[in-house]
Amino acid sequence: DIQMTQSPSTVSASVGDRVTITCRASQSINLWLAWYQQKPGKAPKTLIYKASNLESGVPSRFSGSGSGTDFTLTISSLQPDDFATYYCQQYSTNAATFGQGTKVEIK
Amino acid sequence: EVQLVESGGDLVQPGRSLTLSCTASGFIFGDYAVNWVRQAPGKGLEWVGFIRSRRFGDIKEYAASVKGRFTIARDDSKRIAYLQMDSLKTEDTALYFCTRGPHAFCSSQSCHSDYWGQGTLVTVSS
Repeated sequence: DIQMTQSPSTVSASVGDRVTITCRASQSINLWLAWYQQKPGKAPKTLIYKASNLESGVPSRFSGSGSGTDFTLTISSLQPDDFATYYCQQYSTNAATFGQGTKVEIK
Repeated sequence: EVQLVESGGDLVQPGRSLTLSCTASGFIFGDYAVNWVRQAPGKGLEWVGFIRSRRFGDIKEYAASVKGRFTIARDDSKRIAYLQMDSLKTEDTALYFCTRGPHAFCSSQSCHSDYWGQGTLVTVSS
């Protein structure tokens, strides 16, 4: 299976900060990467698919980039509603896999 | 409005079986894949498996951790997907989510999730 490694595991940031989360695949996944946001006690919410495509209704401060093995999720100006855990997922192979998650916490 | 509602979660003993259901509404169920994703208490997300739509061959794929024990099925006439879990282990304890997989944006091998249910809790313990 393809291993997905996110960094950092935790990021402490303030409202208005630019936040970048990295996701690295153990082998090339082309553009087959999605990003999800999860708040405590809630189901995940889909943010981005195919590396850089924003799901409908997702604020434009979220953006995704990358291809092959290296990907990033960027929040251009962190808002109070953005404090959550973020997961990447590859769906390039017949065994999709998630990263371990990155928690964005209040500094 | 797209809705996915999981049901069937329960407390079961190791080695026993349990079947989860995912009832869909608000979209043409037969046009979409269905993923199952689980989350153990305090842990991250784990992909369990998925089933493509009939138009894409009803193909099913499973994570190595559940292959041979779990079976995914769907009944498009009832708009329900199922996750049958046999030979349950304590490590299968988790919140189980069903999600919608949009074929238009899937890879040739699997799908991401665009909509998620709220999950149903499975606890495996003696």
